[in-house]
Amino acid sequence: AQSVTQLGSHVSVSEGALVLLRCNYSSSVPPYLFWYVQYPNQGLQLLLKYTSAATLVKGINGFEAEFKKSETSFHLTKPSAHMSDAAEYFCAVSDSGYSTLTFGKGTMLLVSP
Amino acid sequence: EAGVVQSPRYKIIEKKQPVAFWCNPISGHNTLYWYLQNLGQGPELLIRYENEEAVDDSQLPKDRFSAERLKGVDSTLKIQPAELGDSAVYLCASSAGTGETDTQYFGPGTRLTVL
Repeated sequence: AQSVTQLGSHVSVSEGALVLLRCNYSSSVPPYLFWYVQYPNQGLQLLLKYTSAATLVKGINGFEAEFKKSETSFHLTKPSAHMSDAAEYFCAVSDSGYSTLTFGKGTMLLVSP
Repeated sequence: EAGVVQSPRYKIIEKKQPVAFWCNPISGHNTLYWYLQNLGQGPELLIRYENEEAVDDSQLPKDRFSAERLKGVDSTLKIQPAELGDSAVYLCASSAGTGETDTQYFGPGTRLTVL
């Protein structure tokens, strides 16, 4: 069985500050890992995904994530937060590129001026 | 390219009433998913279709929930009768089913409130 743990239900940063959202996973097979963003009253939008290629994955809107097998982590980062980044972020894992996703509980990112 | 379309966006019903949600996936996408998202939680899979076939419905509460995907395109998710605990957002997603590069694209969801 797979699972995802996102540390911190809420993360607050100032505009221009580093964004770090944490995700740890559990998987019995080499995982496929995803980060999605959800704006209010909208569906989930894919930010980036790891599919066993490069361990540092670059996504949209300046986000990137690094797969660390030894730490079973896939943390999401962005060097400089923008007000428009305020949203809820979900980490997800699957055992292949086309199977069911198992999501974490989400982290709400709050950005203050 | 049009995204995943869901309707209605919002639905308020009394408990014990039936309700249905509709999803139109991205054109050409063979795989369709229905997810349930409770407040403060991540989405959880209810059912996954490959074309017309439901290949994973293990998490669908079959006593009150049903789904269909006629002709392998649009899909309908039904609840009958609805209970207070069914209040949640119901998300539909689709993917091309192309293997390791596959990506799930989500619709905006239907927010159900059961009174």
